[in-house]
Amino acid sequence: AQKVTQAQTEISVVEKEDVTLDCVYETRDTTYYLFWYKQPPSGELVFLIRRNSFDEQNEISGRYSWNFQKSTSSFNFTITASQVVDSAVYFCALPESPDKLIFGTGTRLQVFP
Amino acid sequence: NAGVTQTPKFRILKIGQSMTLQCTQDMNHNYMYWYRQDPGMGLKLIYYSVGAGITDKGEVPNGYNVSRSTTEDFPLRLELAAPSQTSVYFCATHAGTGTYEQYFGPGTRLTVT
Repeated sequence: AQKVTQAQTEISVVEKEDVTLDCVYETRDTTYYLFWYKQPPSGELVFLIRRNSFDEQNEISGRYSWNFQKSTSSFNFTITASQVVDSAVYFCALPESPDKLIFGTGTRLQVFP
Repeated sequence: NAGVTQTPKFRILKIGQSMTLQCTQDMNHNYMYWYRQDPGMGLKLIYYSVGAGITDKGEVPNGYNVSRSTTEDFPLRLELAAPSQTSVYFCATHAGTGTYEQYFGPGTRLTVT
């Protein structure tokens, strides 16, 4: 069965600290995609990244980076030099079928000035 | 392009009342979804549609109905509202090309008292 686990319910950091959000998944598929979404306090859900299981290279986008490791079934998200605007709930997601995504329960990140 | 729009933004219902949450997309996507997000929780799939005239149940369909007569619109009907349906409702869409990232509407915050 497909499953996404985000064990960290809430993380608090001070601005400029680096922070890593963990995502562990279970899948029956040999090829699959993984996703991260951000939900800022305003409430909308914003797509951040999609990774294909073929590609285990780290992805970097500005202060954001993602570490995908098939050996440990993890797709972790690191924010470098965090800022107050990074405060949000972050969701990891995995396709349950070609038609549907399943989401983790989310990690609430609070960045204090 | 507006993307995915939802109306209303907020609504308070009395127990037993009915209402329809509207969702419209201008992205010409075949796939559309309704999720609910309870406070502090992740997203749960209510219903989804892979094209006009086709709908299917998700994880938590009880108490809801949907229809999909056009590609653009995917309304969610609540019959006999109950306090357990107090939640934020998100509509989403994706192209169905196999890439799976979903694009979300801004959400409807519903309170049933």
